Amino acid sequence: EDQVTQSPEALRLQEGESSSLNCSYTVSGLRGLFWYRQDPGKGPEFLFTLYSAGEEKEKERLKATLTKKESFLHITAPKPEDSATYLCAVYRGSEKLVFGKGTKLTVNP
Amino acid sequence: GAVVSQHPSWVICKSGTSVKIECRSLDFQATTMFWYRQFPKQSLMLMATSNEGSKATYEQGVEKDKFLINHASLTLSTLTVTSAHPEDSSFYICSATEPPERRRYNEQFFGPGTRLTVL
Repeated sequence: EDQVTQSPEALRLQEGESSSLNCSYTVSGLRGLFWYRQDPGKGPEFLFTLYSAGEEKEKERLKATLTKKESFLHITAPKPEDSATYLCAVYRGSEKLVFGKGTKLTVNP
Repeated sequence: GAVVSQHPSWVICKSGTSVKIECRSLDFQATTMFWYRQFPKQSLMLMATSNEGSKATYEQGVEKDKFLINHASLTLSTLTVTSAHPEDSSFYICSATEPPERRRYNEQFFGPGTRLTVL
């Protein structure tokens, strides 16, 4: 069964303190790993898709990387507006996604 | 990116009543829409996949007679929670994918969600 595990569950950072979020997965035949950002009471907002080990994608202060077993979302010099829950999902075919529980990031000024 | 809307954004109803939630793709035709449910501090759980003009496909454990899904057009899908009970209280989110020829990353575009509270 496809599984996605995210760690840590919650992370508090000071503004400017860089860190990484982890997403480990078990899926037969990865066909895409997705990162989303979700603000409280809102739907997820698409950030990145990664398809193969070694692939990297960047957007502003965020950088996503992928290995054969896990993905990392690196946050460089975060700002308070980066506070949100970051969700990882794997594409399991038939256009369906399997989501992890997310990492709640809080960036203090 | 593509925009998906949901209506209403929140609803409170009495136990035993039915509630309809609408999901619309605003600037694209969505051949496939998805309905998710999210409990506090939990991940999004896929409930069903909805294709325009055909019956929805429900995930294991989801009661199709309780959660009625209608995908009447390429821009509208509705979820009706029938005979709602307090345990149905949750955050319901829909998503949609663009037609294959418009996709860049196979991503799903999510609506803002509907908070359902059943008293």
